[in-house]
Amino acid sequence: QVQVVQSGAEVKNPGASVKISCKSSGYTFTSHCIHWVRQVPGQGLEWIGLINPSSGTTSYLQKFRGRVTMTRDTSTSTVYMELSSLTSEDTAVYYCARDLGVFRYFFDYWGQGTLLTVSS
Amino acid sequence: DIQMTQSPSSLSASVGDRVTITCQANQDISYSLNWYQQKPGKAPTLLIHDASSLQTGVSSRFSGSGSGTDFTFTISSLQPEDIGTYYCQQFENVPVIFGPGTKVDIK
Repeated sequence: QVQVVQSGAEVKNPGASVKISCKSSGYTFTSHCIHWVRQVPGQGLEWIGLINPSSGTTSYLQKFRGRVTMTRDTSTSTVYMELSSLTSEDTAVYYCARDLGVFRYFFDYWGQGTLLTVSS
Repeated sequence: DIQMTQSPSSLSASVGDRVTITCQANQDISYSLNWYQQKPGKAPTLLIHDASSLQTGVSSRFSGSGSGTDFTFTISSLQPEDIGTYYCQQFENVPVIFGPGTKVDIK
């Protein structure tokens, strides 16, 4: 069965970087994009960007460009999201989500979420 | 970017009630709209895609309709397990945008 499993909670200082992983199983990894969505506690959902695991092509929300990098390792079916220059406003739960296909932009399987806390 | 609104922002209804949530886009998005349910402390789950198509395995008491700028999500008979927050999401244009959510609880 399809599973998407994320790495555990992180606590970072302002100005630091974080790298969150998202490991997929139960399907052909290169046949589905992986998206990242975040949710500030008590608030709504914000799309961050996506990676096509087949080609490595990425697309990022403009507000995150220059600060976010998404990569993949096809040998382990894992996608990574690195976010740099962290501020307290980056404190949120970060989800990875599988696209129904390639650039379909809807999310049929989600990871369990990774809580990032940015605090000094 | 396309902007999405939802109403109401929250509602309280009795078990068995018919519940309706609306979602509006500020420009034509055709049928490019999905609906998600998020239970407290959990990741969202996809309920409806392409405005009205029920995702595989999802209860038929959930339904969606609409096109263009105006969309409706309906729970035909509210059940206790339906409490949570419901989000619409447009995918006509990048970036993907979610609506602000509608919190549903039991009266």
